[in-house]
Amino acid sequence: DTAVSQTPKYLVTQMGNDKSIKCEQNLGHDTMYWYKQDSKKFLKIMFSYNNKELIINETVPNRFSPKSPDKAHLNLHINSLELGDSAVYFCASSQRKQNGYTFGSGTRLTVV
Amino acid sequence: TQLLEQSPQFLSIQEGENLTVYCNSSSVFSSLQWYRQEPGEGPVLLVTVVTGGEVKKLKRLTFQFGDARKDSSLHITAAQPGDTGLYLCAGRSISNFGNEKLTFGTGTRLTIIP
Repeated sequence: DTAVSQTPKYLVTQMGNDKSIKCEQNLGHDTMYWYKQDSKKFLKIMFSYNNKELIINETVPNRFSPKSPDKAHLNLHINSLELGDSAVYFCASSQRKQNGYTFGSGTRLTVV
Repeated sequence: TQLLEQSPQFLSIQEGENLTVYCNSSSVFSSLQWYRQEPGEGPVLLVTVVTGGEVKKLKRLTFQFGDARKDSSLHITAAQPGDTGLYLCAGRSISNFGNEKLTFGTGTRLTIIP
């Protein structure tokens, strides 16, 4: 059983479009995250949600809007996609105050 | 802004050799984690070190946390092709509001040549 699953795995879209990436975890963790990995493989935190409440928003453009309908889900919606948004986006989860994040397998977003 | 610099950025060695990867920062972290990432997959946690000076061993991998909790090293003995991957260190910090944050290092891409 997949612990953290995100869909789609690949997403190719044109500039200006709006797209969503979904994430679900079945580990019972209370905190979920979105990370962006650029072409140099640098992983940067975007958002963190604890029990559906936003606790970290790292200077991400307003075009990115996370939504957490419940503890097990954290979706990422992106408006007006730009070329610079092309990257691999990773969802992760953890149990607060415990070490170790579990990552999904990533969504490769390509904006053309 | 917390920054974790890893060195080397790229490392390609022959099977059977030993190697060390370094992770350095000017910030203090409550704990330090090491992850390995393979192509098309997310990072997978290898180990967490918590106490300054702590050493942990995972088969041929030895992890050390610096005394001041600002740096860490990963040593691999007798490297094997299966060790190939992107190694990422990550520092855990907790804000004044009790929110925790994991900051990743710049990464070391390791290739073991059979």
